[in-house]
Amino acid sequence: DTEVTQTPKHLVMGMTNKKSLKCEQHMGHRAMYWYKQKAKKPPELMFVYSYEKLSINESVPSRFSPECPNSSLLNLHLHALQPEDSALYLCASSQGFSGVEKLFFGSGTQLSVL
Amino acid sequence: GEDVEQSLFLSVREGDSSVINCTYTDSSSTYLYWYKQEPGAGLQLLTYIFSNMDMKQDQRLTVLLNKKDKHLSLRIADTQTGDSAIYFCAEKSEAAGNKLTFGGGTRVLVKP
Repeated sequence: DTEVTQTPKHLVMGMTNKKSLKCEQHMGHRAMYWYKQKAKKPPELMFVYSYEKLSINESVPSRFSPECPNSSLLNLHLHALQPEDSALYLCASSQGFSGVEKLFFGSGTQLSVL
Repeated sequence: GEDVEQSLFLSVREGDSSVINCTYTDSSSTYLYWYKQEPGAGLQLLTYIFSNMDMKQDQRLTVLLNKKDKHLSLRIADTQTGDSAIYFCAEKSEAAGNKLTFGGGTRVLVKP
């Protein structure tokens, strides 16, 4: 199994809603990532978990809250988002974090904030 | 800071070779990567090269690295319509905390 699975594929939410994005991998990878991608732009790193501990937070606003319940799962909790947060949210995983880490990406969650 | 640049667009005829170029500024890069993104999908790793290598070949893909000029290229031989996608180069360096820095992406359109 070389897949990273993200749910849901699409999400529409209001600015007062609370929602969660989910990501799962069963490759035994110990590093997991959240990226945000705007249309026609490269992905921007948000968070990195290494061995289930948050190792990088790229100064992401607190309305985004990551969680890594175990080595296979990664969540992104969303609360009080703004319309400018609408984007494709990509989850990725890799064997580790140093060295030639090959990232495996999920298909993403297309988020629209109204 | 680290900067990775690519041309925006490339049009190529089916069966021809495509060459996508990338320049970077970080001299402490350790690995350089090429990712492919099709519409509505995540990124797929195509290939990578260690910074002390000049060339790597993998089936239809050839990566060339000129470390002196900080120039990376990806050549796709016998380009097919299924190769139409956005291609991102990315570099990894210790100076950037081992995080990937992506280029802006090159949209490749393959015409029949």
